[in-house]
Amino acid sequence: DAGVTQSPTHLIKTRGQQVTLRCSPKSGHDTVSWYQQALGQGPQFIFQYYEEEERQRGNFPDRFSGHQFPNYSSELNVNALLLGDSALYLCASSPRDLHFISYEQYFGPGTRLTVT
Amino acid sequence: DQQVKQNSPSLSVQEGRISILNCDYTNSMFDYFLWYKKYPAEGPTFLISISSIKDKNEDGRFTVFLNKSAKHLSLHIVPSQPGDSAVYFCAASPYRAPTGGTSYGKLTFGQGTILTVHP
Repeated sequence: DAGVTQSPTHLIKTRGQQVTLRCSPKSGHDTVSWYQQALGQGPQFIFQYYEEEERQRGNFPDRFSGHQFPNYSSELNVNALLLGDSALYLCASSPRDLHFISYEQYFGPGTRLTVT
Repeated sequence: DQQVKQNSPSLSVQEGRISILNCDYTNSMFDYFLWYKKYPAEGPTFLISISSIKDKNEDGRFTVFLNKSAKHLSLHIVPSQPGDSAVYFCAASPYRAPTGGTSYGKLTFGQGTILTVHP
């Protein structure tokens, strides 16, 4: 049973460029959340997707956008990259039940983005 | 605005002794708390959680304590093992989103504590 997978593992981009990161959730999970982890900090919530819609959003600018596909996989897009966007980007998945009980989230290994 | 704080950047303990990691929060909407462990080059791994209706949850060597009045939680590891050396994050979530919709853990994390267990 594969866990959460993310691609690519590492990425180097130039300031002003655009980037797309990909995530496949753990089998049986339908909710995907994205987090940004800067060096020496805890992960910060970017947004969450289920039923192919953005349901919650953290304090990130519109340059950060996402998408969820019918197979529950997800993409994170960042436009007009800034040096400060350099970070580890983590994807997490979780299941839901009919009673909307919160479950612990399972994280992928992350994508290390470096903006030069 | 740091809503979840881990005030100790690092902790060093001897193998076999107790490790106590602490976490404070400020947001009264938080109802569900989790601890994650993170090794280098890996994503955070879920350890243990607790909801606000409890004050203690135990899983093997790991116990989480919650003091709602003090807005404080702690993770106890007994006995500590060298393999426990990692970065530990506490995280908090509202049970339901403030808008009343479903919420699956918009997790708010602390800064992390580096635990080193010496043989």
